Amino acid sequence: ELKVEQNPLFLSMQEGKNYTIYCNYSTTSDRLYWYRQDPGKSLESLFVLLSNGAVKQEGRLMASLDTKARLSTLHITAAVHDLSATYFCAVTPFQGAGSYQLTFGKGTKLSVIP
Amino acid sequence: DVKVTQSSRYLVKRTGEKVFLECVQDMDHENMFWYRQDPGLGLRLIYFSYDVKMKEKGDIPEGYSVSREKKERFSLILESASTNQTSMYLCASSLIRQGGTEAFFGQGTRLTVV
Repeated sequence: ELKVEQNPLFLSMQEGKNYTIYCNYSTTSDRLYWYRQDPGKSLESLFVLLSNGAVKQEGRLMASLDTKARLSTLHITAAVHDLSATYFCAVTPFQGAGSYQLTFGKGTKLSVIP
Repeated sequence: DVKVTQSSRYLVKRTGEKVFLECVQDMDHENMFWYRQDPGLGLRLIYFSYDVKMKEKGDIPEGYSVSREKKERFSLILESASTNQTSMYLCASSLIRQGGTEAFFGQGTRLTVV
């Protein structure tokens, strides 16, 4: 069974600070996704990481993937209040029928305090 | 823009009722998914489908069934609703191709079973 673990699950940080959210997964995969969810809303795609060493950036968020370590990170630079949301990573296994399956971590609830 | 539409935002059903949750996508995606989201548990995969009439169990299929008679429509069925099925249900769709693409989510259905 594919397991996806995020940490921390809760993160409270001050505006202007930097922090990293970690996503570990248990099976071979070269496809990892980051999503954002605002309260009461559905999930919005942030990043798609498709190979070892992939790095993508959008504004104050940067995501990276290390498939050998089975680890992805979501780095937040100079946080602002608008980044307050829950962030999920999700993984698709590398091959087989299960390669269609998309398994999520439990999410990291980020609160950015003025 | 990809659009994934769930038939209801809110539903209240009685214990023992048969409940249908409908999901329609308009981007010709092969993959479709049903998740439930509960506080502290993240998104858990109930069923997914990678083609018409094909279905695969996810992590928590007990008490649920699905139907995919047409490519654009994926239905989740609660054969006999129980109070522990009170949850937020999210439908998603994605392309199946090598290289992976992100899943797009519907707005969610908040189901309450009383």
